[in-house]
Amino acid sequence: DGGITQSPKYLFRKEGQNVTLSCEQNLNHDAMYWYRQDPGQGLRLIYYSQIVNDFQKGDIAEGYSVSREKKESFPLTVTSAQKNPTAFYLCASLDSSGANVLTFGAGSRLTVL
Amino acid sequence: ILNVEQSPQSLHVQEGDSTNFTCSFPSSNFYALHWYRWETAKSPEALFVMTLNGDEKKKGRISATLNTKEGYSYLYIKGSQPEDSATYLCAFRPNDYKLSFGAGTTVTVRA
Repeated sequence: DGGITQSPKYLFRKEGQNVTLSCEQNLNHDAMYWYRQDPGQGLRLIYYSQIVNDFQKGDIAEGYSVSREKKESFPLTVTSAQKNPTAFYLCASLDSSGANVLTFGAGSRLTVL
Repeated sequence: ILNVEQSPQSLHVQEGDSTNFTCSFPSSNFYALHWYRWETAKSPEALFVMTLNGDEKKKGRISATLNTKEGYSYLYIKGSQPEDSATYLCAFRPNDYKLSFGAGTTVTVRA
């Protein structure tokens, strides 16, 4: 079955530590996205990548970094510079050659202790 | 930051009643407007992608309209059922790959 796999599902981190969230897709989609959700808020765009080896900052990129070395993979690193990293993180990919809709992963919940 | 706003933030509907809510977005540099349904403990699922001014889409009891000139879209639910309870998100896409979401409208259908 094609889809998006995010790992880990739950992650606990101490303040000052970097952590990397994994996002892998086998849908052959070119574009991939990272969103963050906080209680009572919608999805805010962190980074997006239209194609391999290219990515763009979203609306709240500060304190985050990404890479796109392979079409299938778009990992997100939450750095110690992110002031309030506790949140639910969603990865998505866009079927730009077909239905033009986003397919989402199941999400990763990060808690900073 | 692209301003995508949804209203109301939440609404309660009696089973069998119809309802609608709004998404407003920038009227310039428009490429597409997406609607997604996000049920508790699941991932968001696509409802519609709308690209042309005047577009109307329908999926079962749910339909949507689009006005790109004034920058708004309505989502309608006809004859609400408990399974329609979810958060409905709209997302605006300009002429690039950036997709920005509104905060969502949470619909609760009371039996």
